[in-house]
Amino acid sequence: NAGVTQTPKFRILKIGQSMTLQCAQDMNHNYMYWYRQDPGMGLKLIYYSVGAGITDKGEVPNGYNVSRSTTEDFPLRLELAAPSQTSVYFCASSYRGQNSGNTIYFGEGSWLTVV
Amino acid sequence: DAKTTQPPSMDCAEGRAANLPCNHSTISGNEYVYWYRQIHSQGPQYIIHGLKNNETNEMASLIITEDRKSSTLILPHATLRDTAVYYCIVRRPQGGSEKLVFGKGTKLTVNP
Repeated sequence: NAGVTQTPKFRILKIGQSMTLQCAQDMNHNYMYWYRQDPGMGLKLIYYSVGAGITDKGEVPNGYNVSRSTTEDFPLRLELAAPSQTSVYFCASSYRGQNSGNTIYFGEGSWLTVV
Repeated sequence: DAKTTQPPSMDCAEGRAANLPCNHSTISGNEYVYWYRQIHSQGPQYIIHGLKNNETNEMASLIITEDRKSSTLILPHATLRDTAVYYCIVRRPQGGSEKLVFGKGTKLTVNP
């Protein structure tokens, strides 16, 4: 298994540009997540999905959009990039089932700079 | 999800055991204790988790007190590559908030 794969790894955007961060997992996990991590800070949840066709907001959803058309893929869209969105973005996935724990597996991160 | 408290930093000599404590005094009966670590700015890496019993895997051991209000992650023979920020998290298997709160964790430095 490749686990959780994120692309691109690095990207520089100009203010107002749009882009999509791609995320794919091959573990047949039902839950997928997008987090951002600012320097020296913990992870903050942007959006998550409990299955194909179902998404929900996390702590910091403003400025982002997601979709989940398949179990494997969970892209994150930035419509109008702002300097405040400069961060490291982590995609993650897990299998959530009753009494089975909830181990979350993370991708390697996507470094985004908005200038 | 219950809040956790960890020391901000610890040092350990290479080859010695690293014991990382975590307090979670408000843990509920169905909440698991998870440990993750983050090396530099890589994605957090799962280490181990447990509910009541002590657990061991190829990476570490997890010791949970009988009252479940605290736990200790043990790296039996720390190496330089174990230098990282270690996060203790408590979480229900189903339901509850999806806001996985990592906090600031413990910065473990393994010294030669």
